[in-house]
Amino acid sequence: EAQVTQNPRYLITVTGKKLTVTCSQNMNHEYMSWYRQDPGLGLRQIYYSMNVEVTDKGDVPEGYKVSRKEKRNFPLILESPSPNQTSLYFCASSRTGKRTSNEQYFGPGTRLTVT
Amino acid sequence: SQQGEEDPQALSIQEGENATMNCSYKTSINNLQWYRQNSGRGLVHLILIRSNEREKHSGRLRVTLDTSKKSSSLLITASRAADTASYFCATDGSGYSTLTFGKGTMLLVSP
Repeated sequence: EAQVTQNPRYLITVTGKKLTVTCSQNMNHEYMSWYRQDPGLGLRQIYYSMNVEVTDKGDVPEGYKVSRKEKRNFPLILESPSPNQTSLYFCASSRTGKRTSNEQYFGPGTRLTVT
Repeated sequence: SQQGEEDPQALSIQEGENATMNCSYKTSINNLQWYRQNSGRGLVHLILIRSNEREKHSGRLRVTLDTSKKSSSLLITASRAADTASYFCATDGSGYSTLTFGKGTMLLVSP
């Protein structure tokens, strides 16, 4: 089954404790992206990747890191989480990043709480 | 950054009625997409309409695009309780690869 998976689905952590949220897709998609969703603010893009070893900042990259060493995986790293990073996080992928064919497939979400 | 804005923010209807949601955006686009999100879950792609198209259908969904007014509408006909969800429009930005999402319309369909 074609899908985007994220782990963990739920995470409660403390300020400053490094964490990684994994994302994997099995559709051989070139493009992958991370979003955060907050009430009243909609979805905002954190980082995206056009292909292996190619990443770029989205609208709200501060406090996050990503890497794309393999095509299928795109982990999101919070080196020193803070309470303002409490949010619902989504990973998404699409076949390409080209504007003509960029329907995105979303993972189920990771609800992160930083205390 | 360019952003789609949905209207209304919330819509409550009875089963069997039609639901119409609107999206406005600011700059030129290559395509516009609509997504659905059930509470707290991942977004699901519904339909994509290209800038040279004016109307597109998919099952009970009808999307229109008016590039002169920079607006789109999503019509769901004969709504069902299972259509209860948030609906987002997304536009491709000025950059090569990013989609920018609006804040969504929350649709409640009561039995």
